[in-house]
Amino acid sequence: AQKVTQAQTEISVVEKEDVTLDCVYETRDTTYYLFWYKQPPSGELVFLIRRNSFDEQNEISGRYSWNFQKSTSSFNFTITASQVVDSAVYFCALSEGRPGTYKYIFGTGTRLKVLA
Amino acid sequence: ETGVTQTPRHLVMGMTNKKSLKCEQHLGHNAMYWYKQSAKKPLELMFVYSLEERVENNSVPSRFSPECPNSSHLFLHLHTLQPEDSALYLCASSQDWDRAHYGELFFGEGSRLTVL
Repeated sequence: AQKVTQAQTEISVVEKEDVTLDCVYETRDTTYYLFWYKQPPSGELVFLIRRNSFDEQNEISGRYSWNFQKSTSSFNFTITASQVVDSAVYFCALSEGRPGTYKYIFGTGTRLKVLA
Repeated sequence: ETGVTQTPRHLVMGMTNKKSLKCEQHLGHNAMYWYKQSAKKPLELMFVYSLEERVENNSVPSRFSPECPNSSHLFLHLHTLQPEDSALYLCASSQDWDRAHYGELFFGEGSRLTVL
């Protein structure tokens, strides 16, 4: 069965610290997609990144980086030099299946608090 | 204008009331979704509409009734709700339903529902 686990419920860091948000997933499919979304206090989830199961290259976008490791079924997200504006709830998500049957599963989210 | 707009942002209702949540997307997308976000739980997919046709209904109680009159508008009609239905209801859209498997979802800011 599909499952996405974000074991960290809440993390607090001081501004400029680096922080890593963990995501572990379970799937039986060989083709699947992984996502990270950010939910600021305003409520809307904002897409950050997508990775397909065949692309294990790590990605860096500014202060954000993602580490995808199929061997450990993990897709972790690191924020370097965190800022107060990074405070939000971050969701990891997994999508698998075929058109008409796919499932898009979200984790429970990690609340990140960046203190000034 | 934001891509996905939800109204009202906050709603308080008694268990015998009937109310509706509205979602409008200005992105030209063909698929729209209702998600329920409860504390410490993963986002729960409730309904999916593709080209105004309901394509998924995840065992949602009949006291929640969706309506999609056109590809830009989605409603969630509420009646005889229970206190445990209190949650943030998020609307989302994607270019197409089958592409949502690997594409991003665009979310509204949500409607915070409190059932007394």
